[in-house]
Amino acid sequence: EIVLTQSPDFQSVTPKEKVTITCRASQSIGDSLHWYQQKPDQSPRLLIKDASQSISGVPSRFSGSGSGTDFTLTINSLEAEDAATYYCHQSSSLPITFGQGTRLDIK
Amino acid sequence: EVQLVESGGGLVKPGGSLRLFCTGSGFIFSNAWMNWVRQAPGKGLEWVGRIKSKPDGETRDYAAPVKGRFTISRDDSKNTVYLQVNSLKTEDTAMYYCATGGYYMDIWGKGTTVTVSS
Repeated sequence: EIVLTQSPDFQSVTPKEKVTITCRASQSIGDSLHWYQQKPDQSPRLLIKDASQSISGVPSRFSGSGSGTDFTLTINSLEAEDAATYYCHQSSSLPITFGQGTRLDIK
Repeated sequence: EVQLVESGGGLVKPGGSLRLFCTGSGFIFSNAWMNWVRQAPGKGLEWVGRIKSKPDGETRDYAAPVKGRFTISRDDSKNTVYLQVNSLKTEDTAMYYCATGGYYMDIWGKGTTVTVSS
């Protein structure tokens, strides 16, 4: 099973700040890494697919990078509405796995 | 409008069974690989299993904790995927989401809650 480890687990940030969340895979997964945002009492929402590909309707301040084992989700100029938990997800091999999540609080 | 709607959740005793439903609309359901993902209260996302489309062989795959107890099936004539959950344990208590996608999961339902308690 491929284990995805996100860091940090929690971050408190101020609006307009730049935020970086990392996801490390226990073995190489190419670019089969995707990012989701989940707000309280909502279902997850796809933000980035295939490590760095943007999704229609997702604000351009969200971007992804990386390949192999190390991946990054960057949020430029954070907004209050970005308060949420963020998850990475790998589809390289079964079982499909998710990272443990990174909770972002807005100060 | 593209959407998925889950139903069928409820309160069940340990050892009990439920059948969860997920109905899709606004997209070609028969071509979609369908996943079930769950989230225990206050916890992260956990993949439960998936069923491929009929053109891709309708193969089913499951996570280890549910293999042998949970079964995924689909009825494309009803745009519906099912999750039969048997021999339920307290640790199966969670919100159960269905989501489309063989790689990334781009459409998610709002979920249905399963509570396993005596």
